[in-house]
Amino acid sequence: AQSVTQPDIHITVSEGASLELRCNYSYGATPYLFWYVQSPGQGLQLLLKYFSGDTLVQGIKGFEAEFKRSQSSFNLRKPSVHWSDAAEYFCAVAFSGTYKYIFGTGTRLKVLA
Amino acid sequence: KAGVTQTPRYLIKTRGQQVTLSCSPISGHRSVSWYQQTPGQGLQFLFEYFSETQRNKGNFPGRFSGRQFSNSRSEMNVSTLELGDSALYLCASSLSGGSYGYTFGSGTRLTVV
Repeated sequence: AQSVTQPDIHITVSEGASLELRCNYSYGATPYLFWYVQSPGQGLQLLLKYFSGDTLVQGIKGFEAEFKRSQSSFNLRKPSVHWSDAAEYFCAVAFSGTYKYIFGTGTRLKVLA
Repeated sequence: KAGVTQTPRYLIKTRGQQVTLSCSPISGHRSVSWYQQTPGQGLQFLFEYFSETQRNKGNFPGRFSGRQFSNSRSEMNVSTLELGDSALYLCASSLSGGSYGYTFGSGTRLTVV
């Protein structure tokens, strides 16, 4: 079955430190890949997406993600975290013709001042 | 431009009642999807509509239904509410499908008592 794994439920980093959130998916073909962020009581905001081509994609708010086909991974990174980045982050995959996303369970990020 | 608008933002219903949630997509977007978000199950796909046709449906009981109107606005209905239906219901829209990334609304928080 298709699935998305975000192995870290909670991550705490200090402001200014670098960040990497992990995402792995299971499926034979390469899916469309997304990262979303959700602040408390809010909907999801799209950070970045990957369809094909360059495996390093840039997103909003200084985030980037790298697709590694051999590892079925799409990890999210940020060089220097700001206190306003504290939120929950979701990785999602979509497959051509299915019109639905499969979401990971999310990683809650806490930022220490 | 206006984002995805969901109404109402909050709703309290009694077990056994039915509820209708509304979603107005971004102007020009013809694909609308619905997701249920709960602490235990995370984000789960309910259904997706495009030009008034349901193209995909998630694994939810028949009590959950939806429809899309000619102006792309969408509604979802839950009949015979159960306590377990308490959740944040998120609507998302895109031009033609989720391949390019959905834009999510802020959601409707449904509490069943």
